[in-house]
Amino acid sequence: AQSVTQPDIHITVSEGASLELRCNYSYGATPYLFWYVQSPGQGLQLLLKYFSGDTLVQGIKGFEAEFKRSQSSFNLRKPSVHWSDAAEYFCAVGAWGATNKLIFGTGTLLAVQP
Amino acid sequence: DGGITQSPKYLFRKEGQNVTLSCEQNLNHDAMYWYRQDPGQGLRLIYYSQIVNDFQKGDIAEGYSVSREKKESFPLTVTSAQKNPTAFYLCASLPGQVEYSNQPQHFGDGTRLSIL
Repeated sequence: AQSVTQPDIHITVSEGASLELRCNYSYGATPYLFWYVQSPGQGLQLLLKYFSGDTLVQGIKGFEAEFKRSQSSFNLRKPSVHWSDAAEYFCAVGAWGATNKLIFGTGTLLAVQP
Repeated sequence: DGGITQSPKYLFRKEGQNVTLSCEQNLNHDAMYWYRQDPGQGLRLIYYSQIVNDFQKGDIAEGYSVSREKKESFPLTVTSAQKNPTAFYLCASLPGQVEYSNQPQHFGDGTRLSIL
């Protein structure tokens, strides 16, 4: 079955520190992978996406993610976190085909300490 | 600017009452989706529609109904049969089928539904 796992429910980092949010997926075919960010009470904003090609993808707000097929992972990284990055982050896999839908992980809530 | 508009932002439902959440998009997208978000559970798909006058049940469709009479509109009705409707509801859209493979979903800002 198709699924996405975000093992970290809550992460706290200090401002200026590096960040890595983990995402593992289970999908039979070549996955289409996404990272979204959600501020409280808001919708989801796309950070970056992977469809094919270079396995290291760059996104908005200084985020990047690396697709590792051997590990079924698509971890999100940022070299230096800003206080405004505090939000909830969702990893998703695109289950295109008969249903054409996104399957979301349960999210990781990021807190940033001053 | 194009986008997805959800209204109202906050909605309260009385016991035994049906309520309808609005979702309108001016992106000219063919496909539209409704998700329910609960703390710690991520987003779960309620219903989706890939074309006008057609829609499919998602993973948690019980207690909900939708219609797709116009391309730009995909309202969600939370019926009295939905016993735990308190949640954050998100609407999303995608371009037409031939473009699914390289386009992300666009999301509205959500509607928070609570029980009185």
